[in-house]
Amino acid sequence: GENVEQHPSTLSVQEGDSAVIKCTYSDSASNYFPWYKQELGKGPQLIIDIRSNVGEKKDQRIAVTLNKTAKHFSLHITETQPEDSAVYFCAASVWGNQFYFGTGTSLTVIP
Amino acid sequence: EADIYQTPRYLVIGTGKKITLECSQTMGHDKMYWYQQDPGMELHLIHYSYGVNSTEKGDLSSESTVSRIRTEHFPLTLESARPSHTSQYLCASQTLQGWETQYFGPGTRLLVL
Repeated sequence: GENVEQHPSTLSVQEGDSAVIKCTYSDSASNYFPWYKQELGKGPQLIIDIRSNVGEKKDQRIAVTLNKTAKHFSLHITETQPEDSAVYFCAASVWGNQFYFGTGTSLTVIP
Repeated sequence: EADIYQTPRYLVIGTGKKITLECSQTMGHDKMYWYQQDPGMELHLIHYSYGVNSTEKGDLSSESTVSRIRTEHFPLTLESARPSHTSQYLCASQTLQGWETQYFGPGTRLLVL
């Protein structure tokens, strides 16, 4: 089955700096890659997703890149703000079927 | 904005009690899921359903059971709670269409004494 690895497990950045979280996957059939943000006491919320027919997607300060050859994808957050502090999860899926989640990255933005 | 609800949000219960965690969604999604989230935050799939009267076990062995009698409702039951069941339980739903995300509820935090 699919195996998703996520790094780093914890990340601290100064407010205004950029944050990058990386995930690798093992199943070359995976073609849908969502990213979730989980704040304390809440369920994960989708922040951005990418399908295998594109290499990059951007939504304001958030971007995701996908390298199908190397089987990795990354989340980029620019101009970080304290409210970006949360746990971030990546996931991989084949056509939106069973999701395989990474182990999460705890991001702290220091004011 | 996803409309998926979980009750109760927090539950403290004694060992041996039977409990049911409720999950409802108003989006008409056919697919629904239960995840167990450990203190390290990792998500483990314990049950899923692709429609009414369809339920399957996930990757993580669980002593819980689920039912799917109505599209919008996917309750999870523990017949006899134990301290090892202490965890956060997350419910999610998803449309049958491909390449679509799962929408998560707020979670139920369970403490078994």
